[in-house]
Amino acid sequence: QVQLVESGGGVVHPGTSLRLSCEASGFSFSIYAMHWVRQAPGKGLEWLAVISYDGSNQYYADSVKGRFSISRDNSKNTLFLQLNSLRLEDTAVYYCAKDVAAAGTGGFFDPWGQGTLLTVSS
Amino acid sequence: QSALTQPASVSGSPGQSITISCTGISSDAVDYNYVSWYQQHPDKAPKLIIYEVTNRPSGVSNRFSGSKSGNTASLTISGLQSEDEADYYCSSYISSGPLYVFGTGTKVTVL
Repeated sequence: QVQLVESGGGVVHPGTSLRLSCEASGFSFSIYAMHWVRQAPGKGLEWLAVISYDGSNQYYADSVKGRFSISRDNSKNTLFLQLNSLRLEDTAVYYCAKDVAAAGTGGFFDPWGQGTLLTVSS
Repeated sequence: QSALTQPASVSGSPGQSITISCTGISSDAVDYNYVSWYQQHPDKAPKLIIYEVTNRPSGVSNRFSGSKSGNTASLTISGLQSEDEADYYCSSYISSGPLYVFGTGTKVTVL
């Protein structure tokens, strides 16, 4: 079955960097766009970024543009999110999710991973 | 693009029907049916329950239905059951970018 497993979260200090990973299985990873979405504790969902099937196009939410970078390694069926200059407000559960289209224009996310918790604390 | 607006909470008794609204959807998202809904139980990942305004993925109960009117989308849960108690989020795709936006979320309580 389709499965997405995030990893890489933890506790970090403000100003540091971190890379999250999302390992995909059960589908042809290389033909679908992929997304990152986050959820701060007790808050709603926030879309962060999408990358096209071949990694040639990336789009970001204004809130993370310039600090976060999405990438993928299709040979390893793995999606990444590089987070730089981390702030207290980046504390959240980070989810990866599969698009239904190659370019990231499928319009919805299905399925989602279980999420990885990142805590930014001084 | 700001978050789409949803009521903070909706409640109903078992067997009743409830409707959750999602307002502020862009015209192109409405025209091209780029609206989806997600169910999230506590400490769980969101799950797609409606896509393209009205479509249900395989395995999702037909008690869930979606609709739209103007720039507002709605999710209706019929025959409310205890397992429907969860948070619900709408989402839309915006072709002009940034590409996706979620609603503020609605907590559904089964009385």
